[in-house]
Amino acid sequence: KNEVEQSPQNLTAQEGEFITINCSYSVGISALHWLQQHPGGGIVSLFMLSSGKKKHGRLIATINIQEKHSSLHITASHPRDSAVYICAVLTYNNNDMRFGAGTRLTVKP
Amino acid sequence: KAGVTQTPRYLIKTRGQQVTLSCSPISGHRSVSWYQQTPGQGLQFLFEYFSETQRNKGNFPGRFSGRQFSNSRSEMNVSTLELGDSALYLCASSLDGWTDGWGIGTEAFFGQGTRLTVV
Repeated sequence: KNEVEQSPQNLTAQEGEFITINCSYSVGISALHWLQQHPGGGIVSLFMLSSGKKKHGRLIATINIQEKHSSLHITASHPRDSAVYICAVLTYNNNDMRFGAGTRLTVKP
Repeated sequence: KAGVTQTPRYLIKTRGQQVTLSCSPISGHRSVSWYQQTPGQGLQFLFEYFSETQRNKGNFPGRFSGRQFSNSRSEMNVSTLELGDSALYLCASSLDGWTDGWGIGTEAFFGQGTRLTVV
């Protein structure tokens, strides 16, 4: 079983819809990152979380350390949000990065 | 502005051999990190170099090693190749280190990768 599980694997939404992508992990972590990878390959760090909730524009990320779960929400989705969203955790013991398999989001106009 | 260049793009090696892969980062970027991507395991972090020093390391055996030169170019070496080492090896270039606590807006640029096949 992968230590970092994302769901769903693929997601298609209509422009304007509210989107949620989930990430569950089974290891102790010091931080969790949400990444966005566009078809061109560039990866952008959206959030780094160790507790609570962060908001950046239309993006909101939450983490529940006790439940080992994080969610990425996109409000008022737009076609330019179409990308692969990857959850990555920095493990607590050995500072190792582990990645989820990614969620491919397609937002249709 | 030139992107991240990885060479070679494709490589076929025999089990037991060693291989060296190269990554030239974007000009001005000081960090190069390496990843292994396979259909079964997905993306896995190997190590990151920043200003010629290994800054962070993933959970891979000692057969996997790397180094970074003063011009920020980096090489990754795998010794005693195994069939399971067949994968796409990606490197990422970033202005600053990004694997040990980076925040919003830190951007890493990935190369096209080197596809290694071990037979």
